[in-house]
Amino acid sequence: DAGVIQSPRHEVTEMGQEVTLRCKPISGHDYLFWYRQTMMRGLELLIYFNNNVPIDDSGMPEDRFSAKMPNASFSTLKIQPSEPRDSAVYFCASSPRQGLGNEQFFGPGTRLTVL
Amino acid sequence: DQQVKQNSPSLSVQEGRISILNCDYTNSMFDYFLWYKKYPAEGPTFLISISSIKDKNEDGRFTVFLNKSAKHLSLHIVPSQPGDSAVYFCAANGRYNFNKFYFGSGTKLNVKP
Repeated sequence: DAGVIQSPRHEVTEMGQEVTLRCKPISGHDYLFWYRQTMMRGLELLIYFNNNVPIDDSGMPEDRFSAKMPNASFSTLKIQPSEPRDSAVYFCASSPRQGLGNEQFFGPGTRLTVL
Repeated sequence: DQQVKQNSPSLSVQEGRISILNCDYTNSMFDYFLWYKKYPAEGPTFLISISSIKDKNEDGRFTVFLNKSAKHLSLHIVPSQPGDSAVYFCAANGRYNFNKFYFGSGTKLNVKP
């Protein structure tokens, strides 16, 4: 079974450009999470979905960030317009169920550099 | 304001010795704690977890200890192997929101041959 798939793996863009990150969760997983990793703050949860519905987007830093999950096998995280401080590694993760200590399965991440 | 903190950004240990990675948390409502391991260019992978009703959980060379009164947990790796060299993240969640994990900033472990 393929794990969580993310694309692109690397993205370099200029300030002001729109960036779209993509994620395909593990088939059958009902929960999908978007995280951002920075040196200063580690892994931060941006937003998560349950059955394609956004449940908690309190971690989304600004209105420039938006996420969608049009179906069970695809999600996007969009930044428009992008800024240099958005440079980070963005991870998508999925999980089959909820519950205390429920393991989340992470994709390989997208390294975003905004010049 | 980080609710889970890993104050040591890096740790270097000789092969065969014990590695001890530490994690502190501030939220007394956390019920479950997990450790994830991350290799370069890969996503974090689950390593071991512990419920707040326990103070120790062991899985092979990996043991996690929880001290609730001190709001502190630690991961022990014995014996350490070069393949254990990775970044280790501590995470926590609570029954009030099962799916919201709070992660620390990570500790980079280097096990020297």
